Amino acid sequence: NAGVTQTPKFRVLKTGQSMTLLCAQDMNHEYMYWYRQDPGMGLRLIHYSVGEGTTAKGEVPDGYNVSRLKKQNFLLGLESAAPSQTSVYFCASSYSTASYEQYFGPGTRLTVT
Amino acid sequence: AQSVSQHNHHVILSEAASLELGCNYSYGGTVNLFWYVQYPGQHLQLLLKYFSGDPLVKGIKGFEAEFIKSKFSFNLRKPSVQWSDTAEYFCAWGYGQNFVFGPGTRLSVLP
Repeated sequence: NAGVTQTPKFRVLKTGQSMTLLCAQDMNHEYMYWYRQDPGMGLRLIHYSVGEGTTAKGEVPDGYNVSRLKKQNFLLGLESAAPSQTSVYFCASSYSTASYEQYFGPGTRLTVT
Repeated sequence: AQSVSQHNHHVILSEAASLELGCNYSYGGTVNLFWYVQYPGQHLQLLLKYFSGDPLVKGIKGFEAEFIKSKFSFNLRKPSVQWSDTAEYFCAWGYGQNFVFGPGTRLSVLP
């Protein structure tokens, strides 16, 4: 089992460019999450999904979109990148509700210049 | 909004010292509490979790945490830290379909 994987691992974008981050899990988990991690601020939830075809906003959703077309994949899109989106992005998945442990991917380090 | 606070931003200890990291959550409803650890350059891993029952929870690598309902707290402890415990520690609270993480506490253990 690979667990939770993320691609790419690193990316540098210019302001205004777009990109998609891919998260895949092979544990048949219903719930998937996208977080950003910034120094001194811990992890902040961007969007989450409670099942295939459903998504919901988290704490900091502005500037991001997500899609969950397949149960195992959760995509995070930046339509027009801004320097404020420079961060480390983590994907996570869990079996069911927030009462279950989350499994994290290795992260994607994104720099927007 | 629901929140999780962690008492210390950065803790520096010598090897064999005892550790206690504070965590408080903001609401007294259903509690699903977690401590995660992030070693340098790695992703988050679960240390321990509490859902119900015995308020003293034991986790991996000799860590334990105590849930005190009256204080809305879930503090992490270890009797004797090692250099390999150097990491960032996050308290987290799950409620409904949401997860809230604290800002993290960086632990540096000096050899």
